[in-house]
Amino acid sequence: AQSVSQHNHHVILSEAASLELGCNYSYGGTVNLFWYVQYPGQHLQLLLKYFSGDPLVKGIKGFEAEFIKSKFSFNLRKPSVQWSDTAEYFCAVSYNNNDMRFGAGTRLTVKP
Amino acid sequence: DVKVTQSSRYLVKRTGEKVFLECVQDMDHENMFWYRQDPGLGLRLIYFSYDVKMKEKGDIPEGYSVSREKKERFSLILESASTNQTSMYLCASSLIRPQETQYFGPGTRLLVL
Repeated sequence: AQSVSQHNHHVILSEAASLELGCNYSYGGTVNLFWYVQYPGQHLQLLLKYFSGDPLVKGIKGFEAEFIKSKFSFNLRKPSVQWSDTAEYFCAVSYNNNDMRFGAGTRLTVKP
Repeated sequence: DVKVTQSSRYLVKRTGEKVFLECVQDMDHENMFWYRQDPGLGLRLIYFSYDVKMKEKGDIPEGYSVSREKKERFSLILESASTNQTSMYLCASSLIRPQETQYFGPGTRLLVL
């Protein structure tokens, strides 16, 4: 069965530090890739997505992600985090235009 | 703005009770989903529906059933609640195809005693 792995369970950073959250997925043909974010007390919302084209995609709030097909990866990055980025981040992959698989999530804590 | 609402934010039920979780979306989306979210496990798909009266099992359908009588409403039913069904339940919808962007409701935190 297809699976999505997020390498870090909990990441703690200070404000202005750079962020990279890893996401790898198992091979399964055509994929669409997503990062969702869940801020404390709020519902999941889309951060960014990749369907095709430029493998470097930009999302809301200064986040970006790079699709590296040869590595089956879709890592999330932000050059300088803010306290308001404290949230849980989920990588998701849809395979062959079918169901969506979510990773286990990475909790990000940004210290002011 | 897409709006997905869930009937309750918090529920406390007893083992063996029948539990109904309701979800409504207001954007005429074709697809609707029920997930459960557990720490360290992420989101796991319970059931989804791509049309009225249609349903498909997800990864963990055991102990659950669903109902979609109207396009905008998707219900999750726990026929006989058990303590291992204590979890956060999330409803989502997407416009046409399941692999498109999904829009999530606020979640229902269910505690089964």
